[in-house]
Amino acid sequence: GAGVSQSPSNKVTEKGKDVELRCDPISGHTALYWYRQSLGQGLEFLIYFQGNSAPDKSGLPSDRFSAERTGGSVSTLTIQRTQQEDSAVYLCASSLGTHPGELFFGEGSRLTVL
Amino acid sequence: AQSVTQPDIHITVSEGASLELRCNYSYGATPYLFWYVQSPGQGLQLLLKYFSGDTLVQGIKGFEAEFKRSQSSFNLRKPSVHWSDAAEYFCAVVPTGGGNKLTFGTGTQLKVEL
Repeated sequence: GAGVSQSPSNKVTEKGKDVELRCDPISGHTALYWYRQSLGQGLEFLIYFQGNSAPDKSGLPSDRFSAERTGGSVSTLTIQRTQQEDSAVYLCASSLGTHPGELFFGEGSRLTVL
Repeated sequence: AQSVTQPDIHITVSEGASLELRCNYSYGATPYLFWYVQSPGQGLQLLLKYFSGDTLVQGIKGFEAEFKRSQSSFNLRKPSVHWSDAAEYFCAVVPTGGGNKLTFGTGTQLKVEL
């Protein structure tokens, strides 16, 4: 498809386990974002990649969270030693990078930590 | 502090009635302004945006929004609501000072009564 693809769509894990969430952006989009959506917290910015620039990691809630973007395309968000408060929907978005705020979102990965 | 506020958490309207969703921002300079919609089980979709110029902007699905500098507002409107408009609506901003980080309001859940 031509949209932003995220996998898995649902992930159930046990507290303390590591999880990886994948995002495949729209081809040609240079900017990639991760957001977290949870009840009571709304949509929280996590991290932003733009081309070859250093990522903006200012939204990562703790050092258990990390993300990388390989080859300027696919991105992986990793959560180590998951906690119950990490349960949320993790949304990935991409954009051309030249149009501020015009993001194309995937359908998200729902993470449940038991 | 910089913020974007959506005062209404839930709104219920009858099908065919008009709709107005409120959004206020608090930034030193007028940011870029956006409205996104999230239908049940789907990713967010951009409805419309305001960068500069004409203060009444038209978007997709028959929505429009009006920028009012004096009130620091960017309210979303639709003359006649359809049942398929039931969704969550998010106002969002990107500061004009640089960067591409999109910050969202807390959202307004719209219910449409038939």
